[in-house]
Amino acid sequence: QQQVKQSPQSLIVQKGGISIINCAYENTAFDYFPWYQQFPGKGPALLIAIRPDVSEKKEGRFTISFNKSAKQFSLHIMDSQPGDSATYFCAASLNNAGNMLTFGGGTRLMVKP
Amino acid sequence: EAGVTQSPTHLIKTRGQQATLRCSPISGHTSVYWYQQALGLGLQFLLWYDEGEERNRGNFPPRFSGRQFPNYSSELNVNALELEDSALYLCASRGKGSAWAFFGQGTRLTVV
Repeated sequence: QQQVKQSPQSLIVQKGGISIINCAYENTAFDYFPWYQQFPGKGPALLIAIRPDVSEKKEGRFTISFNKSAKQFSLHIMDSQPGDSATYFCAASLNNAGNMLTFGGGTRLMVKP
Repeated sequence: EAGVTQSPTHLIKTRGQQATLRCSPISGHTSVYWYQQALGLGLQFLLWYDEGEERNRGNFPPRFSGRQFPNYSSELNVNALELEDSALYLCASRGKGSAWAFFGQGTRLTVV
C-alpha cells in the first residue's frame, strides 16, 4: 500500500519560474515531512522538512506548504534555476516508530535555461 | 564533519552469489537505515538498526539481512542474488532524538 503519493512524475519549468510538487499521505499519525533532492548517481540530500503543527516553512527559494486537514503537502521552488534540475522526493515518518521514511514516487524536475 | 559513507561504490555479482554492502554513519549517529532504490520503483525501506539491534524491516525476503556493529557502522547482506536485486542501495543515519536522516551516496549493485 503506497502511503505517500507524489505528483507530477515529471515537470519542466522555465528558468525563473515556480516549480510545484505535491504530495498526499494517508497515515494521519505521520509527524515529520521532509523533502529530499537527488542528483543522478548521488544519494538523496535533505532539502527542507516540516512538522504538522506548522502550515508553511521557507528556506531560501524553497517553501513547504502543509495542509493537515487535506493530508497534503507541497514543495514550491521559487525562481527555479537549471541547477535545480534533479529528482525530488517527498517523505513522511513517524517519530515513535523509529522515523523510518516512507517516500513518494519522486518527481523529475527539469529547469530549462 | 564526514557524512554517511558507503562502500563499495559499485558491485557486480553473479546470480546466486552473496553481496555485502557497508555503511559508516555520521559520527554520533546511532540509527542506520537501509533503502533499496530500484529503477522505476522509488525508495523502499529495507532495514533499521539502532544501538546494535534490528528494530524493523520492510517487506523484503529473509535473504536480505544485516547487522550493526558496536561502532554503529552497518552491513547489509544479500544472499542468493537475483537479477531483480540490481538497484542502488542507500544507507541513511540519524542521531538520537533527531528526526533528520542523512543519506550516503549509495552502492550500485548489479546482478548479472
